[in-house]
Amino acid sequence: GAGVSQSPSNKVTEKGKDVELRCDPISGHTALYWYRQSLGQGLEFLIYFQGNSAPDKSGLPSDRFSAERTGGSVSTLTIQRTQQEDSAVYLCASSPPRLAGVETQYFGPGTRLLVL
Amino acid sequence: KNQVEQSPQSLIILEGKNCTLQCNYTVSPFSNLRWYKQDTGRGPVSLTIMTFSENTKSNGRYTATLDADTKQSSLHITASQLSDSASYICVVRPYGGSQGNLIFGKGTKLSVKP
Repeated sequence: GAGVSQSPSNKVTEKGKDVELRCDPISGHTALYWYRQSLGQGLEFLIYFQGNSAPDKSGLPSDRFSAERTGGSVSTLTIQRTQQEDSAVYLCASSPPRLAGVETQYFGPGTRLLVL
Repeated sequence: KNQVEQSPQSLIILEGKNCTLQCNYTVSPFSNLRWYKQDTGRGPVSLTIMTFSENTKSNGRYTATLDADTKQSSLHITASQLSDSASYICVVRPYGGSQGNLIFGKGTKLSVKP
């Protein structure tokens, strides 16, 4: 089956504009994660969805960042009033229901965001 | 502060040679430690996942070790291939808390030359 897909693959925007990044997880995966990877830095946790539970938003860097997951499947990460420091690769991952042991994450290819 | 430090930052080896990548962490207590491979322009792919009670885990030519006492892990690559050229990321999941809140190292960039 298909893996995690993300769109767009690349996005160039002007400072101050809003952007929406989309993630389609693997079918049947209940958990969905968003991470940010800035140049030369490790991945940074942003937000985590698990089924119908309230999402863990503890990683969102500011109130300009928000995310939704509709119908337990597709997720959209929105960045309002983008700043140059938002330029990074935004990675989405999903994982299947954890019956026992450790969950394995499956990552998408990422969206490369450049804010001019 | 929970941290994951990797060394070396980058490494160049010849095809067929072995290499070992290092990961030191301060995350405590922790639930599990993972190694991911990330090809340029792609998302990370899981290589190994070890719980705190495991000492070693293999995946083909990749062998990860874990010493929870010294808070160190290593990833050994045997008989390297050109396709091993990638960044290798060490990731630690703290015990408790959110399943999504993983602590990522900055990675070691490995280049395998013919």
